[in-house]
Amino acid sequence: GAVVSQHPSRVICKSGTSVKIECRSLDFQATTMFWYRQFPKQSLMLMATSNEGSKATYEQGVEKDKFLINHASLTLSTLTVTSAHPEDSSFYICSARDRLHRAKNIQYFGAGTRLSVL
Amino acid sequence: TQLLEQSPQFLSIQEGENLTVYCNSSSVFSSLQWYRQEPGEGPVLLVTVVTGGEVKKLKRLTFQFGDARKDSSLHITAAQPGDTGLYLCAGGGRSQGNLIFGKGTKLSVKP
Repeated sequence: GAVVSQHPSRVICKSGTSVKIECRSLDFQATTMFWYRQFPKQSLMLMATSNEGSKATYEQGVEKDKFLINHASLTLSTLTVTSAHPEDSSFYICSARDRLHRAKNIQYFGAGTRLSVL
Repeated sequence: TQLLEQSPQFLSIQEGENLTVYCNSSSVFSSLQWYRQEPGEGPVLLVTVVTGGEVKKLKRLTFQFGDARKDSSLHITAAQPGDTGLYLCAGGGRSQGNLIFGKGTKLSVKP
């Protein structure tokens, strides 16, 4: 099956630093990738939609200057949490939509990144 | 606004019991996916249903898409402790192909 690699799986950083999370589709091309945030015992909350070669679309309430998204190729999207603060601590998950199965909107998820800001 | 109501939110059962999880909406979805997520990991796709009335089986799991494509159910027969996890339904959103997720059903199967 399709594989999405997300790195790092866990990161601990000091308040004020920036953290970059990578999301790669390993065996398929993804013109669209999605970034989610998940709080403990809750469902996934869509943060932004990342389209290859264009600007990301952010959901209401998500600061685009805080969460920088770059989708430079058909297999890589990055999320950078800038000037992280403790309230940014969360589980971040990316997904990639297979370009060939766009009609069915099948998305494959990365394993997630646990961010802890001290 | 498209919403998916998933129920029950929590389910704790004994090994060998059957269970059904429901996902309902007032909106029509072009497709609906079911995922299973374990703690600290990303969701894993179980099935995608696209046709109204469609039934798909995956070993002891049976998925059904409502005739009007507004609801879906997941039925597990003879649950095993390995079925423990968070089950999420997700429907295709209208804009940019994002997925609308239900709140999830946290299933615990005790031996």
